[in-house]
Amino acid sequence: ELKVEQNPLFLSMQEGKNYTIYCNYSTTSDRLYWYRQDPGKSLESLFVLLSNGAVKQEGRLMASLDTKARLSTLHITAAVHDLSATYFCAVDIPPSGTYKYIFGTGTRLKVLA
Amino acid sequence: ETGVTQTPRHLVMGMTNKKSLKCEQHLGHNAMYWYKQSAKKPLELMFVYNFKEQTENNSVPSRFSPECPNSSHLFLHLHTLQPEDSALYLCASSPTSGDEQFFGPGTRLTVL
Repeated sequence: ELKVEQNPLFLSMQEGKNYTIYCNYSTTSDRLYWYRQDPGKSLESLFVLLSNGAVKQEGRLMASLDTKARLSTLHITAAVHDLSATYFCAVDIPPSGTYKYIFGTGTRLKVLA
Repeated sequence: ETGVTQTPRHLVMGMTNKKSLKCEQHLGHNAMYWYKQSAKKPLELMFVYNFKEQTENNSVPSRFSPECPNSSHLFLHLHTLQPEDSALYLCASSPTSGDEQFFGPGTRLTVL
């Protein structure tokens, strides 16, 4: 069974702190995506990771991909309140020549002032 | 209009009604997707269309019927739904199947 698991599911952290969200997946893939969703809103693309060892950074967020370990991380540096949202990873699964996303369970992040 | 738009944004329907959700993308993409997001489950892929051809039906009940008349438009026809079908239905598009996806704002569906 294809699985994409994120942990933690819920994260409450103080402003200024650092933390890492983990995304593990159970099958071979070399494409992984991170999305952000604010309450009541749609998903916003954050990062596209297309190869082993890929690292991307935008502001206080940095994402990396280790395809051998089937693991991606989303690191938050010096968190601010505006980062409060739910973060999803999605893995691109190419069975039989077609591509589809499998989304993780999501990590609900709350940054406390 | 830019990006991916969805109408209606909110829909309340009875179990015997027939309704349709509409998605339109203004990005020149060739792949479009329907997802279901409910409170107790991860985001679920329902259908994938690539160059107007359906390439994925993720074991979706037949009471959901997709239609893709061209690469810019995607519909989800609904009939005899169940209360457990209440959810946020998200449409997305990408340049081709497998590329980074861009999501619409969603339709919040409530089935009474």
